[in-house]
Amino acid sequence: EAGVAQSPRYKIIEKRQSVAFWCNPISGHATLYWYQQILGQGPKLLIQFQNNGVVDDSQLPKDRFSAERLKGVDSTLKIQPAKLEDSAVYLCASSLEVHEQYFGPGTRLTVT
Amino acid sequence: DQQVKQNSPSLSVQEGRISILNCDYTNSMFDYFLWYKKYPAEGPTFLISISSIKDKNEDGRFTVFLNKSAKHLSLHIVPSQPGDSAVYFCAASAGKIIFGKGTRLHILP
Repeated sequence: EAGVAQSPRYKIIEKRQSVAFWCNPISGHATLYWYQQILGQGPKLLIQFQNNGVVDDSQLPKDRFSAERLKGVDSTLKIQPAKLEDSAVYLCASSLEVHEQYFGPGTRLTVT
Repeated sequence: DQQVKQNSPSLSVQEGRISILNCDYTNSMFDYFLWYKKYPAEGPTFLISISSIKDKNEDGRFTVFLNKSAKHLSLHIVPSQPGDSAVYFCAASAGKIIFGKGTRLHILP
């Protein structure tokens, strides 16, 4: 069974530029999550989708971050404009039930 | 406001001995507790979990203990093996999962 796929794996941008991350969840997983993991911290939930709909986006900085999940499968997370403090690993996860999430390898973003 | 705390950033254990990773939490509404393991450049992988109605769950070399009165859980790994060297995240769920900061475990030869 293929795991959660993410691209790109690494991205370096300058502040105020925009960037987008892509995630393809495990086939059949209705729930998809985006997490932000800052160095030395645990992953922090940014947004949770159930099929096409948003379940929780309470910690998503909506003035600069946006996410969508088209057709209930793939998802993209966008940052526009990026700030220095957005430097982190962005993890996508999917699950059938919340207590057993499967994570992708993550995208390491560096904002200079 | 850290609801899940892992107070030891790192831990070194001799191969073959027992590794004990600790975690404290503050929210009494958590109904599930999980441990994830993370290798460099990879995403976290689920290791073991425990429901709040239980006090122990065992899976091979891994056992998780939950002390609800103390709001404390621990992960025991016995015997420790070189492949166990990784960062371990404690997490708790009350609908969504909240992670601790992680403990880096080094297994010494």
